[in-house]
Amino acid sequence: AQSVTQLDSQVPVFEEAPVELRCNYSSSVSVYLFWYVQYPNQGLQLLLKYLSGSTLVKGINGFEAEFNKSQTSFHLRKPSVHISDTAEYFCAVSGVGGSEKLVFGKGTKLTVNP
Amino acid sequence: DGGITQSPKYLFRKEGQNVTLSCEQNLNHDAMYWYRQDPGQGLRLIYYSQIVNDFQKGDIAEGYSVSREKKESFPLTVTSAQKNPTAFYLCASSSGPRTDTQYFGPGTRLTVL
Repeated sequence: AQSVTQLDSQVPVFEEAPVELRCNYSSSVSVYLFWYVQYPNQGLQLLLKYLSGSTLVKGINGFEAEFNKSQTSFHLRKPSVHISDTAEYFCAVSGVGGSEKLVFGKGTKLTVNP
Repeated sequence: DGGITQSPKYLFRKEGQNVTLSCEQNLNHDAMYWYRQDPGQGLRLIYYSQIVNDFQKGDIAEGYSVSREKKESFPLTVTSAQKNPTAFYLCASSSGPRTDTQYFGPGTRLTVL
């Protein structure tokens, strides 16, 4: 089985500052990793995903994430945030082989202040 | 436009009543999912279906039931056996393989009065 830990429940930052949202996972098998974003009272939207290959993954809206197998991490970064990036961000993992289920972390609420 | 629709957006229920949440997709996806979202809890899987006429329990299936009679539809019934049904419910679909993106509907907020 897989599990995901998002280390920060809330992250406040100022506009144009860099941000990192941390995600660690646990799995006994190889994994696929995802970051989703949820704007208030809406469904989730995929930001980026890691399946294989390059460990640096680029997504939409200027976000990127790096897969680190030795540290079992998949942290999300953006060099300069905007007010419109205020949302909740979810890290998710699925295992290679086995169940089709996607396991989500509890989310990180990013608040960008002017 | 292709996508997932959920209805209603808001739903109020009296204790002891069953209610059914609708989820429809026109993406021609094989797999569909129901999640429950509570503040600070992330998303928890209730049921999922990989093909018509087949579905599996997720992590919190007790008090819920589903059907998958058509590829595009995956309704969720919240029964009176669900002890704490007030939550935000999200439906999703994907083309199937676990590597594929899940596409989410806008959600239904259920409140038990």
